[in-house]
Amino acid sequence: EPEVTQTPSHQVTQMGQEVILRCVPISNHLYFYWYRQILGQKVEFLVSFYNNEISEKSEIFDDQFSVERPDGSNFTLKIRSTKLEDSAMYFCASRGGQASTNEKLFFGSGTQLSVL
Amino acid sequence: GNSVTQMEGPVTLSEEAFLTINCTYTATGYPSLFWYVQYPGEGLQLLLKATKADDKGSNKGFEATYRKETTSFHLEKGSVQVSDSAVYFCALSMLYGGSQGNLIFGKGTKLSVKP
Repeated sequence: EPEVTQTPSHQVTQMGQEVILRCVPISNHLYFYWYRQILGQKVEFLVSFYNNEISEKSEIFDDQFSVERPDGSNFTLKIRSTKLEDSAMYFCASRGGQASTNEKLFFGSGTQLSVL
Repeated sequence: GNSVTQMEGPVTLSEEAFLTINCTYTATGYPSLFWYVQYPGEGLQLLLKATKADDKGSNKGFEATYRKETTSFHLEKGSVQVSDSAVYFCALSMLYGGSQGNLIFGKGTKLSVKP
C-alpha cells in the first residue's frame, strides 16, 4: 500500500529556533493535512491544504506556523520561533481527490518534535 | 463544539479475551465516525468507519456500531491477538460545514495483549 513519509522521525531544537517538518504525501493525492499530538493529549487538527492554499486551519495554527508545497512532492510545516509548548508528535496526512469527508486519510508515522 | 471522548488506557488483556473500547461523541449535525489504529512505529491507519446512525463498521474482526441515541461508537473484538497491540483512536468528521477531511480525535487508548 502507498505510504506517507515523514522526516525526520525525531527532531530536537532550542526554544526560539525555526524548524521545518517534512512530509512526502502519496503521489496522486490532492488534499494535505497536519495534525499534532501533545503527550497525553488528543490528536489535534492544525491545517488542511488544497490547490496550493490553506483550506482550513485551527486556532492552534497561528502566525508562527506556515505550510508549503515547494516542489509538487513535499509538504512542509514550518514553525518560525519554537516554544516549549510546541513539543509534540506531528502527523502529516493526505487523501485523494474526492470531496467527500468519508474518504480515507493516509497518515505518516509522525515527527516527534522536542523543544528544549 | 464537536468532540470525542474515549476511555482512558492503557488496557491490558490476555490473548483471546474480549475487547471493548468506549467512545462517545458530541456533534452538531451528522458526523461520520471512525476508528484509527496506530501500530508501534507506524502512522495512523483507518480501521473502520460508519457514516450514519445504526451503521456497523467492521474490519479484521473489530466492529463498532454508530449509536445516535447514545452518541456512541464503541469498538469491540471478540478475541484479541498479540498482534492487536496498538493505540486506538476514535474520531469524527462532519459532513457539512466545510470541515472536509478535518478529523476530530479522541486521546487514544493503548491496548496491550499478552500471550
